[in-house]
Order: sequence, then C-alpha cells, then structure tokens
Amino acid sequence: AQSVTQPDIHITVSEGASLELRCNYSYGATPYLFWYVQSPGQGLQLLLKYFSGDTLVQGIKGFEAEFKRSQSSFNLRKPSVHWSDAAEYFCAVGAGNFGNEKLTFGTGTRLTIIP
Amino acid sequence: NAGVTQTPKFQVLKTGQSMTLQCAQDMNHEYMSWYRQDPGMGLRLIHYSVGAGITDQGEVPNGYNVSRSTTEDFPLRLLSAAPSQTSVYFCASSSDRGRSSGNTIYFGEGSWLTVV
Repeated sequence: AQSVTQPDIHITVSEGASLELRCNYSYGATPYLFWYVQSPGQGLQLLLKYFSGDTLVQGIKGFEAEFKRSQSSFNLRKPSVHWSDAAEYFCAVGAGNFGNEKLTFGTGTRLTIIP
Repeated sequence: NAGVTQTPKFQVLKTGQSMTLQCAQDMNHEYMSWYRQDPGMGLRLIHYSVGAGITDQGEVPNGYNVSRSTTEDFPLRLLSAAPSQTSVYFCASSSDRGRSSGNTIYFGEGSWLTVV
C-alpha cells in the first residue's frame, strides 16, 4: 500500500525568504504525486501534480516541485514566500490506473509567515 | 458548471442518529470518493467508486455506507453517528481520460459534521 510522509508538522518562514516543504512517498510503481494547499476553514486547492515527463513541475502561485525517484521525494519549493502563503500544505500520492481513483495524503505541514 | 457540490455544509447530530452527506458532480466523472479530515491526520479515504454500481472501501470505512446508483451522485451515509465521526468530510471526483492527460481531481468545499 502507498504512503506519504511529511516530516515537518510546522514551519515558520520570514516573508520574502525561500521555502522548501518535504514529502517522501512509498509506492510500488511510478507514482502520481500532488501538492494541495488549504487555508483555514476552506477546501483544498491543487498547487501542482506530477504524472510523467519532466521531473521539475511548475504550479500555481509561483510554486514548483521536483520528483526524485532515487530519494522517493517530491519536495515543494518557492523562492520567495508571501504572507498569503500561510496555510496548510498536503502532499498526496494517487493510486489506480491513472492515479486519480483515490489519494493517500500526508499529515500536512502548517506554514506560518512572519514579517 | 457547478463542479462537485456537497450538502449540507454544516451539521450537528446526536449520537445514534443517522444522516446522509450528499455529493453530486456535473462533469460526467467516472471516479468519486469520500475523505475525512481530522487534525494531525491529513485526509483519509473512506470509500470510493470507479463507476456507477461499483464501490469499494478505503482506509477508514467503518460506520459509513455508500452507493453509486448514478454517475452524478455518491452519497455517504452515517448509520448510527458516534462522536468519533466528528470531522470534516470532502467529496472528490475525477475522470478516466488516460495517464498522459494528467487527470485533475476535483474536491467539494467540505461538510463540517459534529456529533454530540
């Protein structure tokens, strides 16, 4: 069975600083990987996804993620964070024929931005 | 295009009551699923369906029933609510269009359920 580990429960970053959120996965085949963001009391918004091809994936809001098969990782990065990036971030791995039948989520990383 | 619609958005139940969370999508998607979100646990899969008439259990199915009589609807039933089912519930849908297309998974806005 697939699994996702987000080792950082809470990260605090200064506004304008760079950000990297870690995600490690376990999956028997080529993974389908996702990053979602959730603001308090809100639903999930897809930031980016990896299905195949280029291992560096560009997403919305200036985020990117790099798939590293050798490290079973899919870390999320942003070169300069904004106060509006404060939220909870979830990494997920998809299963099924096309990776979108069902998702296994990590436990999330809460991002706090300080001025 | 409404996307994935969940109702109700908020609900308070007494222990032992039953209720149904409704989920409907208007995108003709084959795949639908239900997740629950609890603090520190992320989202966990309850049940999922790959098409009308086909359902399967996810990671935390106990206490919940589902059915998929139409492509559009995927209701989640709580047969006898317990305080442990206090959670936020999300419905999701996606289509089967082939791996190369990178199918998008659409989530509803969530249903906040409290069992007292």
